[in-house]
Amino acid sequence: GIQVEQSPPDLILQEGANSTLRCNFSDSVNNLQWFHQNPWGQLINLFYIPSGTKQNGRLSATTVATERYSLLYISSSQTTDSGVYFCAVGSNAGNMLTFGGGTRLMVKP
Amino acid sequence: DTAVSQTPKYLVTQMGNDKSIKCEQNLGHDTMYWYKQDSKKFLKIMFSYNNKELIINETVPNRFSPKSPDKAHLNLHINSLELGDSAVYFCASSRASDYEQFFGPGTRLTVL
Repeated sequence: GIQVEQSPPDLILQEGANSTLRCNFSDSVNNLQWFHQNPWGQLINLFYIPSGTKQNGRLSATTVATERYSLLYISSSQTTDSGVYFCAVGSNAGNMLTFGGGTRLMVKP
Repeated sequence: DTAVSQTPKYLVTQMGNDKSIKCEQNLGHDTMYWYKQDSKKFLKIMFSYNNKELIINETVPNRFSPKSPDKAHLNLHINSLELGDSAVYFCASSRASDYEQFFGPGTRLTVL
């Protein structure tokens, strides 16, 4: 099956800093989503981005499908950005998502 | 106006019991899913289901079975619970016309 790798696995930032999270995948996909799992365990949709670039406030994402990677940019980080960021891809019948291992982000005040 | 809801939020039970987790979506979606998140936060697909097709991840034990009374509901039934079934279970849904999935709040299952 498809492999999904995220980097870095852990990231500590000072409030106000910018960061880039990376997701590499091993095969062509028809679905790519970024999620934020907050400290309460909720999985919050950030982007549905199988290709191209999208922006939402301080967050933006770019997927280069031909090179099999996606990037999530967080600018001017805030303490509420802390949590785990997951990249997930779908490429098969049934649209079942394969998740990466996540990037654990801690933003310090 | 919750989009995808799950009940219960927490479930504590003894080994060997049978339990169910309920999932409902009010988004009008066609496809529903169950995922399992283990203690290391790793998320893995268990099932994908629409009114035409059930797709089961081959690693899921047959003690787990999805049951769909209608298009808006996909319940997860687990027989003969084992310690290793302790995890957070997430339900999700999507439209048939695109692939974006929306997740419920999760059910934390603890098997003693």
